[in-house]
Amino acid sequence: SAVISQKPSRDICQRGTSLTIQCQVDSQVTMMFWYRQQPGQSLTLIATANQGSEATYESGFVIDKFPISRPNLTFSTLTVSNMSPEDSSIYLCSVEPYSEGGTDTQYFGPGTRLTVL
Amino acid sequence: QKEVEQNSGPLSVPEGAIASLNCTYSDRGSQSFFWYRQYSGKSPELIMSIYSNGDKEDGRFTAQLNKASQYVSLLIRDSQPSDSATYLCAVTGYSGNTPLVFGKGTRLSVIA
Repeated sequence: SAVISQKPSRDICQRGTSLTIQCQVDSQVTMMFWYRQQPGQSLTLIATANQGSEATYESGFVIDKFPISRPNLTFSTLTVSNMSPEDSSIYLCSVEPYSEGGTDTQYFGPGTRLTVL
Repeated sequence: QKEVEQNSGPLSVPEGAIASLNCTYSDRGSQSFFWYRQYSGKSPELIMSIYSNGDKEDGRFTAQLNKASQYVSLLIRDSQPSDSATYLCAVTGYSGNTPLVFGKGTRLSVIA
C-alpha cells in the first residue's frame, strides 16, 4: 500500500478565490489521480497527473479551472481556481504504488473537504 | 463511455446475516475490479480486488466476478454494525495506471 497525505484537510473559502491542495506520497509512483466527490455523490475523475508532462483532464474539467502540478514522483498539487459554491466538494488524490504495478490497485488520500461561500 | 451500475440502497441486513452487494459494468474489455468501503466523512478504503472469473475470499469478504455477464459482487458474511458504510464498485479498462470508474455506491446498514 502507500501512505498518502493531503493538505489542507478542510477549508472554507470565499467565492472568486483559489485554493491549492497538496498530495504527498511516502513512495514513488508513476501516476497520481485527482477525484472530486460532491455531496451525496460518487467519485468523478478530474485529471491524471503524470510526472514530467501535462496532466490529462477528463471531459468537463479544464486546466484553467483545475491547474495541476507534478514536480516529482511523490508530490502533486491541484488548484481550484475562481471558486464558486458549486465547487464545494471533497477532493481526493489517489495513487498506484510501484510495488503494485500492473494491478491497477489504487489507494486514496484522506481527502480535502472544501466549502465555498 | 464506461459505466458502472450499483443499487443505491440502502440495503439493510440484521447483524450476523450475509450482505450481498452487486455491480454491473458496461465495458467488456475491463480487466480489474475493486470494492471500496467508504464511511461517512472518510475517503474510500480498498477492501477487495479481483481480476479473474470466480470467487476470491478474504476473511468475511468474498468477491465474485463473472466477465461473461459483466457482473461483480461482494458478499459480507457475519455482517457487523461496523460494516455499515457505502460500498463502491470500481472498474478499470487496461492494466497499469489507469483511472478507476466508480459506481454510485450502495449504502449498507447492519442492524444490531
